[in-house]
Amino acid sequence: GAGVSQSPSNKVTEKGKDVELRCDPISGHTALYWYRQSLGQGLEFLIYFQGNSAPDKSGLPSDRFSAERTGGSVSTLTIQRTQQEDSAVYLCASSLEGGYQPQHFGDGTRLSIL
Amino acid sequence: GDSVTQMEGPVTLSEEAFLTINCTYTATGYPSLFWYVQYPGEGLQLLLKATKADDKGSNKGFEATYRKETTSFHLEKGSVQVSDSAVYFCALRGSNYKLTFGKGTLLTVNP
Repeated sequence: GAGVSQSPSNKVTEKGKDVELRCDPISGHTALYWYRQSLGQGLEFLIYFQGNSAPDKSGLPSDRFSAERTGGSVSTLTIQRTQQEDSAVYLCASSLEGGYQPQHFGDGTRLSIL
Repeated sequence: GDSVTQMEGPVTLSEEAFLTINCTYTATGYPSLFWYVQYPGEGLQLLLKATKADDKGSNKGFEATYRKETTSFHLEKGSVQVSDSAVYFCALRGSNYKLTFGKGTLLTVNP
């Protein structure tokens, strides 16, 4: 079946611009996660959505970052007023509900801030 | 908080050599443990998992055993292939559902 789909696969933008990254989870998966992979910091958790519960935003690095999940499916991660340190690969994952369920990752969006 | 420590790379082996990548963790409660693999130019793929103490996860010839007494989840393979060249990440999932990753270990297998 279809895996987690992310778009765009690559995004290059100028410092100060806003960007939107999209994630389409695996059908039926109620949990959705965003992570960031950068050379200096490794893989970092950003935000977690589970069903209709309030999201866990504890990993968002600043108030320039926000995310929403519409209809319990597609999610958008928005970065406002981008900075060069935002350059990274942004990964989305989804899973079935339950702490033992593995998370399945998309191929990521490589974001480059000029 | 939760943390994962895995051996620093890079690791370079010859084909058919034995592989061990060490991973230890710190967590409260009873986390689930995972190994993910990232092949060149690709996304993260789940390699194997274990959800409770003494569980052994296995896949594609790789194995790891959840050792609660030593808080470890070492990855092993008896005979590596060139196609196993990739970055390997150890991860845990605690009570708050997010994955905490190690820094990754780059494995290169030479023919």
